[in-house]
Amino acid sequence: QLQLQESGPGLVKPSETLSLTCTVSSGSISSTNYYWAWIRQPPGKGLEWIGYFSDSGNTYYNPSLKSRVTISLDTSKNHFSLRLSSVTAADTAVYYCARAGEYNILTGLMVLDHWGQGTLVTVSS
Amino acid sequence: DIQMTQSPSSLSASVGDRVTITCRASQSVGNYLNWYQQKPGKAPKVLIFAASSLQSGVPSRFSGSKYGTDFTLTISSLQPEDFATYYCQQTYSPTWTFGQGTRVEV
Repeated sequence: QLQLQESGPGLVKPSETLSLTCTVSSGSISSTNYYWAWIRQPPGKGLEWIGYFSDSGNTYYNPSLKSRVTISLDTSKNHFSLRLSSVTAADTAVYYCARAGEYNILTGLMVLDHWGQGTLVTVSS
Repeated sequence: DIQMTQSPSSLSASVGDRVTITCRASQSVGNYLNWYQQKPGKAPKVLIFAASSLQSGVPSRFSGSKYGTDFTLTISSLQPEDFATYYCQQTYSPTWTFGQGTRVEV
C-alpha cells in the first residue's frame, strides 16, 4: 500500500523559506500517470491546492502562490519537496502531500487518491 | 481561475437523513470533478471521481451527479461515521481548485 509521509520544520520565522519533504514508500515517484501534489489547510479553514509535479516533468502552481512556490522531485531518494519563500503568518497551515492518479487515460482525469497524514507548520518569530 | 462554490457551508442532519451538497463551477469543468470527505485531524479521502463514479471501498449510499456546471453529492441515508466535512475539487484546468467545504454535523 502506497504511503506518503511529510517531514520538515514545524516552526518557520516570517520572511524565511518553508521547506518540506514528502517521502514515498511502497511505490515509485518515477511511475508514469501519477502527479505529486501539495495541499494545505489553515487552522479551521478549507483545503487550498498549492501545486503539483506532473509525470511529464511540468509543474503547475496556485496562481496566488506561484511567485513563491517550488515543487521538485528527487527520484534517487523517492521523495518530492515543497519550498515556499517569504512566508508570513498567513502561511501557517497543515501541509499535506498527496499522489494524484490518472483515473481515465483517455480524458486525463486526475484524482488525489493517496495522502500523507499532514504536518503543521507555524510561521512565527 | 475556475472557482468552485459549495452550498451550504454547513448543515445539520440526523442519522438516516438524505443529505445533498451542491458544488457550482464558475465555468465548464466537464466531468473533471471529485468529491472528498475529511474528518477532524485526518487527511481527506476521495469518495467520488469523474462527477459520479464511486471510489472503490466507498459505501453505495454516496452518489454524485452533474447538471451542467452544477454537481451534487448525495448521501442517501446518513450514518454516524458520515459526520465530516466534504469538498469538491475540479481537475479540468491545470490549476486545480477546491470548493470551500460543507460541514455535516448533528
